[in-house]
Amino acid sequence: GQNIDQPTEMTATEGAIVQINCTYQTSGFNGLFWYQQHAGEAPTFLSYNVLDGLEEKGRFSSFLSRSKGYSYLLLKELQMKDSASYLCAGMDSNYQLIWGAGTKLIIKP
Amino acid sequence: IAGITQAPTSQILAAGRRMTLRCTQDMRHNAMYWYRQDLGLGLRLIHYSNTAGTTGKGEVPDGYSVSRANTDDFPLTLASAVPSQTSVYFCASSDSDRDIQYFGAGTRLSVL
Repeated sequence: GQNIDQPTEMTATEGAIVQINCTYQTSGFNGLFWYQQHAGEAPTFLSYNVLDGLEEKGRFSSFLSRSKGYSYLLLKELQMKDSASYLCAGMDSNYQLIWGAGTKLIIKP
Repeated sequence: IAGITQAPTSQILAAGRRMTLRCTQDMRHNAMYWYRQDLGLGLRLIHYSNTAGTTGKGEVPDGYSVSRANTDDFPLTLASAVPSQTSVYFCASSDSDRDIQYFGAGTRLSVL
């Protein structure tokens, strides 16, 4: 079966760094997506990895290891506005996204 | 630029009633999707359309139907609503089936 696992909730301090992990099992693999979703709002795209390694975009970076079925999202210099849920999604061989339940990130001052 | 517009924003519906959720995009994207989001679960794909005139079933299609008469519109119909269809429904679109998906603001539906 297809499955995406990520922690349910994480807490971090403003100004710190946090890493949100995601493991995936998909039928075929066409990339790994990360989305941010603030409470009551739509998911918005953060990053996409299809090759192994680190992709950096400002304060956010995403890493992929295809051999381990593993990805992480790294958020640096945390700000209060980063409090949100972070959704990991794997794209399968039919180009359909399989979504994790999301990681709720709580930022404390 | 509006992006993707969903209507209504929220709705309370009696069980057994018919309901159509509307979705319109102005990005000329070929692919469109309907998801439901329930607490503790990931987004689940209901139906999708890779191009105007074609539709496909996702993970949880039962009780729902869609049509794609043109590029911009992708309505989702609940023929006879049941309480288990209480959820937040998101419409999304992408340039092709393998591109980044962009989401509408969602419709919060309660079936009583």
